[in-house]
Formats: sequence, structure tokens, C-alpha cells
Amino acid sequence: SAVISQKPSRDICQRGTSLTIQCQVDSQVTMMFWYRQQPGQSLTLIATANQGSEATYESGFVIDKFPISRPNLTFSTLTVSNMSPEDSSIYLCSATSGESGYTFGSGTRLTVV
Amino acid sequence: GQNIDQPTEMTATEGAIVQINCTYQTSGFNGLFWYQQHAGEAPTFLSYNVLDGLEEKGRFSSFLSRSKGYSYLLLKELQMKDSASYLCAVKPGRGSTLGRLYFGRGTQLTVWP
Repeated sequence: SAVISQKPSRDICQRGTSLTIQCQVDSQVTMMFWYRQQPGQSLTLIATANQGSEATYESGFVIDKFPISRPNLTFSTLTVSNMSPEDSSIYLCSATSGESGYTFGSGTRLTVV
Repeated sequence: GQNIDQPTEMTATEGAIVQINCTYQTSGFNGLFWYQQHAGEAPTFLSYNVLDGLEEKGRFSSFLSRSKGYSYLLLKELQMKDSASYLCAVKPGRGSTLGRLYFGRGTQLTVWP
């Protein structure tokens, strides 16, 4: 299965600033996704990153707050914009090539102060 | 929306057997996954069920009943290293949700010596 490199692994950011998280997959994948995982909680899907077009967001998530890019089949970024302490969480990307399993990046632990 | 339910916590002793249940109500069904997640790490794939019945893989087995919207993960011969969060995830596979994975809250399993 695909291997995903996600960075940064962690960051501490000032409120009001933005952070861009990157995910690089070692092979072409059909679909890529972004999740948020708050402490002690499970994974909540933020959006599907669509190659060459606007991402598809889940209810409660909007493009202005979480702009996503996916310029090709192996790379995607998620930006957390105008951060507040409530955005402190772990952000994970995921990828799949159809019927195979879904692979996850190692996560970005974000703390907003 | 998608509703996936699993117990929050379970405990067991080394060498024992534990069953983690998951019930789901989703818009369509195209497979159910179980993932293991150790603290601070990415989820790792355990099993995938798309048809009714039991899938066995070493010490871990997973069961699915589509008519009941029910699955369980069975862990045998428990080891200390099995202490982790176990995540049930469903792929609805219909319309706009095609390809996406939705997760339950996760079950934190603690294995005692």
C-alpha cells in the first residue's frame, strides 16, 4: 500500500496566523482526504481533496477556514487559516487507490496559543 | 448523516479474548474497516469486511452483518502491546459520499498483566 509523508509533525502557532500541512504519497492514488482528531476523540472527516479542482467539504467545514489543494495525484496541502485555540488538534491526511485499504499520514499535532 | 457507534473503553487481561462491537447507520454501505491506533501514531489497517461473515487474520478476526448494521472485532490471546484505540470505519459508497471513510468514536482497549 501507499506510504504517506506528512509534515510538519507538530507546530505551535500564534492565534490569527495560518499553517499549511503537506502530504506526499509515494505512488499515485485515486483519492486523498483530510481528517481532524481532537484529543481522545476519533477521526472527523474535513474534506475530500480533488485533483485539479476544489475540495469537497463535510458539513461544518468551509473552504475559507480550511483551504485545500491537490495539484496532482500524489500531493495535497491543508491550510488551517486564522487559527484560534479551538483549532488545536491532530490533522491527518489519508489516501486510497480504490478497493485497497486507506493509508494515513503520521499526523500533524497543532497547538494554537 | 453517518452514525457509527462503538463503546468508549474496554479492559481485559493478558491472554484473554475481547470483542469490540460496532453498529452503524449510513447512507449506503460499501465496506467496513477496523483500524488500530496507538497513542500519538497514525491508524494502521487491521481488517476490511464487505460481505457478511467472519474474516480471520491471525489473532484478530472481524465479523459483519449488513442486515443488522453490525460488526465486531475479536482479539484473541491478548498481549500488552494490544493496548490501543480500535476504530470502526464505514465506507458508505453512495452518491456524494463515494470513497469516503467515516469513523466511530474509537474504543480504547487497556490490557492488564
